[in-house]
Amino acid sequence: DAGVIQSPRHEVTEMGQEVTLRCKPISGHNSLFWYRQTMMRGLELLIYFNNNVPIDDSGMPEDRFSAKMPNASFSTLKIQPSEPRDSAVYFCASSSIHRGANVQYFGAGTRLSVL
Amino acid sequence: AQSVTQLDSQVPVFEEAPVELRCNYSSSVSVYLFWYVQYPNQGLQLLLKYLSGSTLVKGINGFEAEFNKSQTSFHLRKPSVHISDTAEYFCAVRETSGSRLTFGEGTQLTVNP
Repeated sequence: DAGVIQSPRHEVTEMGQEVTLRCKPISGHNSLFWYRQTMMRGLELLIYFNNNVPIDDSGMPEDRFSAKMPNASFSTLKIQPSEPRDSAVYFCASSSIHRGANVQYFGAGTRLSVL
Repeated sequence: AQSVTQLDSQVPVFEEAPVELRCNYSSSVSVYLFWYVQYPNQGLQLLLKYLSGSTLVKGINGFEAEFNKSQTSFHLRKPSVHISDTAEYFCAVRETSGSRLTFGEGTQLTVNP
């Protein structure tokens, strides 16, 4: 099992640019979560999907953030336009509703720096 | 809604000493409890989980945790730590009927030689 795969691992961009983060969940998992980690706010849930459908996006900071899950094996988190305060580590996690009490498994994260 | 409080933001210990990382939670419904570990520049890795049954749960790397319902606690322990245990540890809670994980603020464990 390859685990949750995130790309890129590191992203450096300039303020105002569009940023797209990618996630491939564990095969067979049907829930997918996007988190943001910062020193000030810790780990925050941004949005999660069940069976490719967004269930709760109340953690998405503002309209500049959007997430999609076009199929069971791929999700994107997009920031447009990006701002310096978006600098953080973004994690994707996946789980199976039907197995193991829905334990979430995390990817290695994308470290985003917005200059 | 549930919440998690990790009582110590930093815990420094010497190698081979015992350690306890404290976690208290609040919830009005039944919950599952988790401890995750995050090594530098890595994602979160599941250490152990409490779902039901025995209140003493054993995880990877020699860690264990005890669920105490009356005190709403889920403290993590290890009898003898190694340098390689240096990492940040997160306690998390989830309602048994839900999907959202709520994380504590994290405890940085530093093991010194």
